[in-house]
Amino acid sequence: DQQVKQNSPSLSVQEGRISILNCDYTNSMFDYFLWYKKYPAEGPTFLISISSIKDKNEDGRFTVFLNKSAKHLSLHIVPSQPGDSAVYFCAASARSGAGTASKLTFGTGTRLQVTL
Amino acid sequence: GAVVSQHPSWVICKSGTSVKIECRSLDFQATTMFWYRQFPKQSLMLMATSNEGSKATYEQGVEKDKFLINHASLTLSTLTVTSAHPEDSSFYICSANRGGYGYTFGSGTRLTVV
Repeated sequence: DQQVKQNSPSLSVQEGRISILNCDYTNSMFDYFLWYKKYPAEGPTFLISISSIKDKNEDGRFTVFLNKSAKHLSLHIVPSQPGDSAVYFCAASARSGAGTASKLTFGTGTRLQVTL
Repeated sequence: GAVVSQHPSWVICKSGTSVKIECRSLDFQATTMFWYRQFPKQSLMLMATSNEGSKATYEQGVEKDKFLINHASLTLSTLTVTSAHPEDSSFYICSANRGGYGYTFGSGTRLTVV
């Protein structure tokens, strides 16, 4: 049961344009969402996150939008740069008990290629 | 800051042997660490949650006797793949929780069982 899905396995965008990566989830208990960037044979690197009490969070070229009613979030990268080419994972977390770290559920990933 | 060191980065072992993977938080203490497994072109699948000083919590379908986890200190968790078989070949990644929703990932270990 894939609770977090990224329906586009790959995306190609021209340099300077906007990249939009989408993520859908099914578990209504998720209350925190994160985006990670990953290169082959490396661990994920944190990009940006959003709490369920917000609908938008922005950090430089990266903006995450959350639509709770649709259980959908998206990551916008603008302008896209060749160095952004990587696999992007969304992850979701549900609040755990006090003093315990919440586990992350990862999406299936989207491979972004930014072309010149 | 917030660096997690994972070793080895790759290992090749013979079928039937055991392999130990280490995950260290270098500049912070991590009460909780997580172990993931990733097959080619697939998602990161959580295997287990490792808590310092207590038994690990395994996800459904993960054999706890095959994947031994030890979290003996606030900066070190180890994953031992016992009696490895070719189907255990995969990319293993650890993550350390810095508190709240702060997670730092290791660089991963590519295990190949021949």
